[in-house]
Amino acid sequence: EVQLVESGGGLVQPGGSLRLSCAASGFTFSNYWMTWVRQAPGKGLEWVAHMKEDGTDKYYVDSVEGRFTISRDNAKNSLSLQMNSLRAEDTAIYYCARDLGYCSGGRCYSVFDSWGQGTLVTVSS
Amino acid sequence: AIQMTQSPSSLSASVGDRVTITCRASQGISNDLGWYQQKPGRAPKLLIYAASSLLSGVPSRFSGSGSGTDFTLTISSLQLEDFATYYCLQDYNYPLTFGQGTKVEIK
Repeated sequence: EVQLVESGGGLVQPGGSLRLSCAASGFTFSNYWMTWVRQAPGKGLEWVAHMKEDGTDKYYVDSVEGRFTISRDNAKNSLSLQMNSLRAEDTAIYYCARDLGYCSGGRCYSVFDSWGQGTLVTVSS
Repeated sequence: AIQMTQSPSSLSASVGDRVTITCRASQGISNDLGWYQQKPGRAPKLLIYAASSLLSGVPSRFSGSGSGTDFTLTISSLQLEDFATYYCLQDYNYPLTFGQGTKVEIK
């Protein structure tokens, strides 16, 4: 059974840093792109970052570019999100998700088929 | 960034109703679109990918259609467990962008 478990959330002051982790099990982690998605309280979903299987390609939403870093350790089946220079607007539940990476007819699609339960990050003084 | 606009933002429906939710992209995205369902306090759940492919295990009352800029999620006969918020997501290019969500409530 695919399982994703996030950890590392908490209360942090504006300008501070936090590192989120996502422990993966039940599948061959090194074969899949992985992603982070967040949801501010009472708001919709926002894609945050995406990372290739071997870590060579990374993509970010503009609002976190230069402040957040996605990384992974395939030997430990772990995905991370290092968050620096945090702002009040970064307050959200952060989910990690697996990208099934479905390909057909020469096209490949980002398909987030498994999600963790989320970890809450609160940025406040 | 590609903007995804869902309509309606919310709707009220009864069990057994046919429900249609639309998602419009600010530019053509081929069929690079997925639909996700989220219930309160829970993680999102994938329903449909590549605009019309149903994820294995998802009930067949869910269907998706569209290509280019206009997409539709249809629930053919609404069940009690379908009351939730639905989001579209374009994966045509980065940054990936979600629609603002459509909340399906009980009438």
